[in-house]
Amino acid sequence: EAQVTQNPRYLITVTGKKLTVTCSQNMNHEYMSWYRQDPGLGLRQIYYSMNVEVTDKGDVPEGYKVSRKEKRNFPLILESPSPNQTSLYFCASSWDHSNTGELFFGEGSRLTVL
Amino acid sequence: AQSVTQPDIHITVSEGASLELRCNYSYGATPYLFWYVQSPGQGLQLLLKYFSGDTLVQGIKGFEAEFKRSQSSFNLRKPSVHWSDAAEYFCAVGAWAAGNKLTFGGGTRVLVKP
Repeated sequence: EAQVTQNPRYLITVTGKKLTVTCSQNMNHEYMSWYRQDPGLGLRQIYYSMNVEVTDKGDVPEGYKVSRKEKRNFPLILESPSPNQTSLYFCASSWDHSNTGELFFGEGSRLTVL
Repeated sequence: AQSVTQPDIHITVSEGASLELRCNYSYGATPYLFWYVQSPGQGLQLLLKYFSGDTLVQGIKGFEAEFKRSQSSFNLRKPSVHWSDAAEYFCAVGAWAAGNKLTFGGGTRVLVKP
């Protein structure tokens, strides 16, 4: 089954404790992206990657890091989480970056930073 | 930079009644426009998309949307709502030149009364 898989789905952590949210897709997509969803703000792009070893900032990259060492994986790293990073996070992928194709979303990772 | 406005935060509709969700966008070039649906606890699923051509676009689950360039709108409609349509709906505009960034509206939550 074609899918984007995120882990963990739910996480409660404390300020400053590094964490990683993993994202993996099995569709051989070139393009991957991370979004955060906050009430009333819709989804905002954090980082994106057009292909392996190519990543770039989205609209709200502060406090986040990403890497794209393999085509299928695109982990999101919070080096020192803060309460304002409490949010619902979505990973998404598509064939390429042209926007003519569909973005496939994972089921989301709900993060709470105390 | 592009932006999307969904004026209605919540809409309540009776089952069997028609539904229209409003979306207004701002983008300097020809837009790529999308509607996504998010069911509770789920990721986002593409309902339909517009790139060019016929301004009335048909999507899945009986939804359609109409692109009106003069009004910068891309409203979503469904003639007869089912209880399973209760969800949050997001309009988005695509900007592939900016790294396939989908800019999302704030979302409209639809409640369906029996």
